Amino acid sequence: ILNVEQSPQSLHVQEGDSTNFTCSFPSSNFYALHWYRWETAKSPEALFVMTLNGDEKKKGRISATLNTKEGYSYLYIKGSQPEDSATYLCALSDNFNKFYFGSGTKLNVKP
Amino acid sequence: NAGVTQTPKFQVLKTGQSMTLQCAQDMNHNSMYWYRQDPGMGLRLIYYSASEGTTDKGEVPNGYNVSRLNKREFSLRLESAAPSQTSVYFCASSRWGVGSTDTQYFGPGTRLTVL
Repeated sequence: ILNVEQSPQSLHVQEGDSTNFTCSFPSSNFYALHWYRWETAKSPEALFVMTLNGDEKKKGRISATLNTKEGYSYLYIKGSQPEDSATYLCALSDNFNKFYFGSGTKLNVKP
Repeated sequence: NAGVTQTPKFQVLKTGQSMTLQCAQDMNHNSMYWYRQDPGMGLRLIYYSASEGTTDKGEVPNGYNVSRLNKREFSLRLESAAPSQTSVYFCASSRWGVGSTDTQYFGPGTRLTVL
């Protein structure tokens, strides 16, 4: 079992603020790290897949970094908007594509 | 292209009743998964099927059985429902191959209440 910790559990920011949250893992014994965005009453949707190379990923105002040596990944949102409000999930996948999810960071962006 | 579909969307059962949750994907994916989502606990893997003809237990398999009927369909069965199985159930699929980094695609979820 791969342990995945996410922090903080929840986050409240004002529109326009930039924010970031963390996914921590105790070892690099995984194949890829995944970030998902999960809106209330919907299904999780993939944001990024990151391999152990650790290259930064970017999609619009959202970016993610991976530091396998120190055991964490950061997800950054620049200039948060109310539509960014969602739970952000981190998951590790192993060589057999079995996924291990963290419990998520719930982001609320106030207009 | 419907992606991953799940039926039913909602279900209420009495303790001891049985039911089967259905999942199908039309993306020609090899791997399929069943998760449950409980407040504060994220997604927990119940069973998964890495490829057609194989199934493996996940983190919380007790009280469930699965069938990978063919490449498209993966069903989850509750033989004797208990209140502790009240949850939202998500099915997911991914393309997968050895060395793949494919992500998972999720169905819309089934909200199950066991009284």
